[in-house]
Amino acid sequence: DQQVKQNSPSLSVQEGRISILNCDYTNSMFDYFLWYKKYPAEGPTFLISISSIKDKNEDGRFTVFLNKSAKHLSLHIVPSQPGDSAVYFCAANRGAQKLVFGQGTRLTINP
Amino acid sequence: KAGVTQTPRYLIKTRGQQVTLSCSPISGHRSVSWYQQTPGQGLQFLFEYFSETQRNKGNFPGRFSGRQFSNSRSEMNVSTLELGDSALYLCASSQDLTDTQYFGPGTRLTVL
Repeated sequence: DQQVKQNSPSLSVQEGRISILNCDYTNSMFDYFLWYKKYPAEGPTFLISISSIKDKNEDGRFTVFLNKSAKHLSLHIVPSQPGDSAVYFCAANRGAQKLVFGQGTRLTINP
Repeated sequence: KAGVTQTPRYLIKTRGQQVTLSCSPISGHRSVSWYQQTPGQGLQFLFEYFSETQRNKGNFPGRFSGRQFSNSRSEMNVSTLELGDSALYLCASSQDLTDTQYFGPGTRLTVL
């Protein structure tokens, strides 16, 4: 039962353009959503989060959008930089329950 | 503040052996969670500890166990290793059960 899904295993974007990573979830009880970035041989690094009471949260080049009716969230990176090339995981949970991760999307920024 | 540390970083074992992995959380963090990452399965939740008590458990066999000490450091143990246990094992800590989790670099376990 995959409660959090990232349907695109990979994404390639030109440097300077916008990267949009998508994530869908099935559990309407989730109330907190996060994005993590992971480089090879390193642990995931927390990027940005959003509570279910909001529909947008922005931090520098990173913006997360939440559409509760569609059970969909997205991460926008503008402008994309070579250092953004990594695997991005979305995750969700409710209260003190375990964090549920998506499968990850490998983002490649091309010069 | 120092981040989450995990030891060892790399480990090679053979089938049937057992292994113990260690995690030191960020200072002041009382919650520690463990995850298994494999290429096909992504990040799978193993268990979570808070104040030396297991609070949540994922869908893994009983061969996977863990514990947390009074200083919040945590260990996980895998007994009777199988080839399929080869994975990156990640530890994450948070101040409390509902706070953002911060991950360590992971322990790469290879079972031959």
